[in-house]
Amino acid sequence: KQEVTQIPAALSVPEGENLVLNCSFTDSAIYNLQWFRQDPGKGLTSLLLIQSSQREQTSGRLNASLDKSSGRSTLYIAASQPGDSATYLCAVYGNNRLAFGKGNQVVVIP
Amino acid sequence: NAGVMQNPRHLVRRRGQEARLRCSPMKGHSHVYWYRQLPEEGLKFMVYLQKENIIDESGMPKERFSAEFPKEGPSILRIQQVVRGDSAAYFCASSPLGTAYNLTFGAGSRLTVL
Repeated sequence: KQEVTQIPAALSVPEGENLVLNCSFTDSAIYNLQWFRQDPGKGLTSLLLIQSSQREQTSGRLNASLDKSSGRSTLYIAASQPGDSATYLCAVYGNNRLAFGKGNQVVVIP
Repeated sequence: NAGVMQNPRHLVRRRGQEARLRCSPMKGHSHVYWYRQLPEEGLKFMVYLQKENIIDESGMPKERFSAEFPKEGPSILRIQQVVRGDSAAYFCASSPLGTAYNLTFGAGSRLTVL
């Protein structure tokens, strides 16, 4: 059974600092890994999708890396802004379903 | 394209009542997935359906929960005789293919059981 862990569970950073969010998974037999953003009381917004054959994906200020062999992914958010405050979810796809971590709850302080 | 539509967005039920949650997938999507997010927990897979078929219900509690995706109309997640532990956010996602990556999620239905 796939277990996905995200650390830290919560963090606060001053505006302008870079964010580093970590995700680990127990079963390396994955097809891809996806990072989502969830705002309070809202649904999920897909941020980045990394195929298992890829090492990283970038979109604007966001960069996600994947080390499948060690079961790790890291989401970097450069020059954080107050609008980046949200919960970030890591999900791995395997066995025809997404397995989610509990999330990294981020607060960016103006 | 209205995206994945879920209703109601908020539902309050008393213990023992029934809850029905509806999900209309994106246009052209024939695969629907339901996930549950309990307070302080990650999203957990419940069930995967195609039109008129349940493909994988291994995440569904054995009793009181059922799901359907009829030929016409939305997918329905039904919870009978609700208990306080059913209070959660229920998310629906859809995809055009039989693969669970790059899903499009709805905004969720938040069930509160009094």
